Amino acid sequence: QVQLQESGPGLVKPSETLSLTCTVSGGSISSYYWSWIRQPPGKGLEWIGRISTSGSTNYNPSLNSRVTMSVDTSKNQFSLKLSSVSAADTALYYCAREVEGSSRALDPWGQGTLVTVSS
Amino acid sequence: DIQMTQSPSSLSASVGDRVTITCRASQSISTYLNWYQQKSGKAPKVLIYAASSLQSGVPSRFSGSGSGTDFTLTISSLQPEDFATYYCQQTYSTPRTFGQGTKVEI
Repeated sequence: QVQLQESGPGLVKPSETLSLTCTVSGGSISSYYWSWIRQPPGKGLEWIGRISTSGSTNYNPSLNSRVTMSVDTSKNQFSLKLSSVSAADTALYYCAREVEGSSRALDPWGQGTLVTVSS
Repeated sequence: DIQMTQSPSSLSASVGDRVTITCRASQSISTYLNWYQQKSGKAPKVLIYAASSLQSGVPSRFSGSGSGTDFTLTISSLQPEDFATYYCQQTYSTPRTFGQGTKVEI
């Protein structure tokens, strides 16, 4: 049973860079796309982007210039960096696996980690 | 970007009711449409994938239909554990986009 766990600072100062890591356990990280999704408090879901284990990326254009994703297959981890953060980036950040095939559904998800942007 | 519009944004229902949530895409997405359930304080979980396929372990009272631009999630007989927020998501193209959510309340 594949499980995902997000980790990283829960508090980031405005204008700094948010950095999160997702650790995959119970299975190999290889041969999938791995995604980041966020949810501001009390609001809906926003897809941030995805990365394949070969390093191919797709980012949400609304965040494109500030997002960088990377993958470390030796550690079964993938990471998110979001630069120049503001209060609008305060959210619950989830990592998830994108299933192969016709659905491309997100399954499973990590439990999420709350990141607050504040001085 | 493909815009996903869900309706209604919220609804009140009783145990045993039949509930229908709709999702409309701003362009045709074939059947690249998934439905998720999110309970308070929890991560979303997939209920329906590829518009009408039931995810393993999901009760059969959940069903999905549609193709192209119009999709429906139906709960045939609402149970207490079904009170949650439901999201549709298109995976036809990137960026993947979600509907705004439908909160199902008592």
